[in-house]
Amino acid sequence: DVKVTQSSRYLVKRTGEKVFLECVQDMDHENMFWYRQDPGLGLRLIYFSYDVKMKEKGDIPEGYSVSREKKERFSLILESASTNQTSMYLCASSFPGQGGNQPQHFGDGTRLSIL
Amino acid sequence: GQNIDQPTEMTATEGAIVQINCTYQTSGFNGLFWYQQHAGEAPTFLSYNVLDGLEEKGRFSSFLSRSKGYSYLLLKELQMKDSASYLCAVWDSNYQLIWGAGTKLIIKP
Repeated sequence: DVKVTQSSRYLVKRTGEKVFLECVQDMDHENMFWYRQDPGLGLRLIYFSYDVKMKEKGDIPEGYSVSREKKERFSLILESASTNQTSMYLCASSFPGQGGNQPQHFGDGTRLSIL
Repeated sequence: GQNIDQPTEMTATEGAIVQINCTYQTSGFNGLFWYQQHAGEAPTFLSYNVLDGLEEKGRFSSFLSRSKGYSYLLLKELQMKDSASYLCAVWDSNYQLIWGAGTKLIIKP
């Protein structure tokens, strides 16, 4: 079974702090993704990566950055946390798939609260 | 803009059948996914449709009509464990996944 592990299920931080969310997958997937999930909204893509050292902005990258130094690990960084970044953060991974059935596999999520 | 519409919430009875609809307006289409997400858990993959028609997988089936921009997920012989949110997602022409807000399905005994 694919396993995507996020470092924390729940996290509470203060405004202005630098926050690191870690994600590790064990299926040798090339693609990794960071989303945030808010009530009444669909999953919104923050950043994604198709290879080590590679990153691409998603729909809502402002206030975030990412790091992919190793294939299995994709980190999301909140440079200076703000209250509007309180959300559920989901990491996902997949094999490359264009025109094929390559579903994304998700971690259990990190519920982040910024006070 | 790109948009995916699903009902916010549905209620059904254990043992019955329920159909969850998804309509989409996207810049191109390269496939549609359905995911299940139990409260507090990760979304898990249910089905993928890229051609018109019905795909059956046990108690769950998914239908696609590309000309109508429409899909549905059909759940038969409902069980209490089917209480969850069901997410519809479309691959657009750039292979970006566009997500619906999800449908919360409540199963009553």
